[in-house]
Amino acid sequence: NAGVTQTPKFQVLKTGQSMTLQCAQDMNHEYMSWYRQDPGMGLRLIHYSVGAGITDQGEVPNGYNVSRSTTEDFPLRLLSAAPSQTSVYFCASSLGLAFTGELFFGEGSRLTVL
Amino acid sequence: DQQVKQNSPSLSVQEGRISILNCDYTNSMFDYFLWYKKYPAEGPTFLISISSIKDKNEDGRFTVFLNKSAKHLSLHIVPSQPGDSAVYFCASALNTDKLIFGTGTRLQVFP
Repeated sequence: NAGVTQTPKFQVLKTGQSMTLQCAQDMNHEYMSWYRQDPGMGLRLIHYSVGAGITDQGEVPNGYNVSRSTTEDFPLRLLSAAPSQTSVYFCASSLGLAFTGELFFGEGSRLTVL
Repeated sequence: DQQVKQNSPSLSVQEGRISILNCDYTNSMFDYFLWYKKYPAEGPTFLISISSIKDKNEDGRFTVFLNKSAKHLSLHIVPSQPGDSAVYFCASALNTDKLIFGTGTRLQVFP
């Protein structure tokens, strides 16, 4: 099992460009989520999904779009990148709706917006 | 508004001693609490959790304590080892579908 796979690992964008961070999991997890990690701010929840076709907003959703057309994939879209979106992004998945304690994270995607 | 707070950004402990990491939360609706550990250039990994119906959970060298009246939890690592050097995040689950993380505490265990 590969677990949670994020691509790309590194990306540099110019202000106003768009891009998609890919996230795929092979554990048949219903729950998936995206976090961003910034110095002094910890991990902040951007969007999450409790199953295919269902998404909802987290703590910091502005500037990001998500969709969940399959159980395996949960891409994060930046429609018009801003320097404030420079961050490390983590995708995570979990077995079900109720937390058992195990949220599996990918290795992260470092994004720089110039 | 930070709902989960870790007021100590860093902690330095000698090998073999106890490490105590603290976490405060503001939302009394949180019903599940977790600790995650993160090494550089890796994703966080689950360490230990506790339900709001308990006040202590132990797993080997790691023990989590929950004080609901004070809205406070702590992670004890005994004995601390150099491999424990990492950033530790506490997290609280809300409505079973949102996991809110704290700001993290960087633990350094020195020989």
